[in-house]
Amino acid sequence: KQEVTQIPAALSVPEGENLVLNCSFTDSAIYNLQWFRQDPGKGLTSLLLIQSSQREQTSGRLNASLDKSSGRSTLYIAASQPGDSATYLCAVFHASGGSYIPTFGRGTSLIVHP
Amino acid sequence: NAGVTQTPKFQVLKTGQSMTLQCAQDMNHNSMYWYRQDPGMGLRLIYYSASEGTTDKGEVPNGYNVSRLNKREFSLRLESAAPSQTSVYFCASRWGVDTQYFGPGTRLTVL
Repeated sequence: KQEVTQIPAALSVPEGENLVLNCSFTDSAIYNLQWFRQDPGKGLTSLLLIQSSQREQTSGRLNASLDKSSGRSTLYIAASQPGDSATYLCAVFHASGGSYIPTFGRGTSLIVHP
Repeated sequence: NAGVTQTPKFQVLKTGQSMTLQCAQDMNHNSMYWYRQDPGMGLRLIYYSASEGTTDKGEVPNGYNVSRLNKREFSLRLESAAPSQTSVYFCASRWGVDTQYFGPGTRLTVL
């Protein structure tokens, strides 16, 4: 059974710091990996999607890398801002019977203080 | 383009009552998913539908049923609600291996 672990569970940093959030998974036979952001009381918003054949994806101040063989992904946030405060979740998808089944980590709760 | 919509936003039930959570997407996605989110447990997959007319169990299907009414709509039914089903329920949709999009969630309390 796929297990996804996110470290750290919580993080509090001053504004301006560069951050690394970690996601590890036990079964490397994944199809792709997706990073999400969730604000309190809200749904999930997709940040980045990395296909299994890719090594990284970038969007603005966000960069996500994928090392499928070692079962790891990192989300790098450059020059953090208070507006980045949220919970960040990663999900890995594996193929099963024509569909793509997700397994989520429990998230990293990030607070960026001014 | 509304994306993924869910109704209701909030619901309070008594133990034993039944209800249906509605989900609809207007992005012509083939796959749809139902999750529950509990504190400390992350998101857990209840049921999913790879395409219209097909449904499959996820990690925590007990106590739930689903219907993929058409390509747009995927409903989740609680036949006899229990306090353990108090949770936040999210619907999501996806086209193939593309990005997964989530609805805003339904907050359900079972007394």
